[in-house]
Amino acid sequence: DAMVIQNPRYQVTQFGKPVTLSCSQTLNHNVMYWYQQKSSQAPKLLFHYYDKDFNNEADTPDNFQSRRPNTSFCFLDIRSPGLGDAAMYLCATSRDLAGASDTQYFGPGTRLTVL
Amino acid sequence: GIQVEQSPPDLILQEGANSTLRCNFSDSVNNLQWFHQNPWGQLINLFYIPSGTKQNGRLSATTVATERYSLLYISSSQTTDSGVYFCAGIMNTGFQKLVFGTGTRLLVSP
Repeated sequence: DAMVIQNPRYQVTQFGKPVTLSCSQTLNHNVMYWYQQKSSQAPKLLFHYYDKDFNNEADTPDNFQSRRPNTSFCFLDIRSPGLGDAAMYLCATSRDLAGASDTQYFGPGTRLTVL
Repeated sequence: GIQVEQSPPDLILQEGANSTLRCNFSDSVNNLQWFHQNPWGQLINLFYIPSGTKQNGRLSATTVATERYSLLYISSSQTTDSGVYFCAGIMNTGFQKLVFGTGTRLLVSP
């Protein structure tokens, strides 16, 4: 089945130790998104890629970076995780940027713990 | 700015009961989507509903765009319906940006 896959599902890192989260998709969608969801809060968009074009949200900290080496894969890099970065990180895809049929499809998420 | 508000924040139901969840949204929202987040964190698309009514099994949704609200109906609830229900306003800012409401946490007990 076509889907959005995130690895790992659970990630533990140490304060200040760089960590990379992975997302892949078999939907062949043009757009990939990264969201951060803290405990008991709603998901919040960090950034998105349209093809190779990177679009950062204005309030996303510099500590968060992203790479999209090809259509299928997108990575979230946290350069120096702090305790406040502990959260669920959700990857999503959509076929295109706008339009009635461009629903976003979400992966299962990676739960990040910072010790 | 964009505002998406949901009520009630928490809901406890006995299995088999019906419920209505509400989402109010501001003028800057062009479209609306409903999601269910299961206890394992997976966000599942329920409805993409700018206006009108849609039904999918025991779930249905109605959006009245002119009055800036949407309703999600759950009939004959089951324990597997438990989780958090989010509505998300969609802003067309060059891309379809989702702005999530604060969610309704639903617990269906057997």
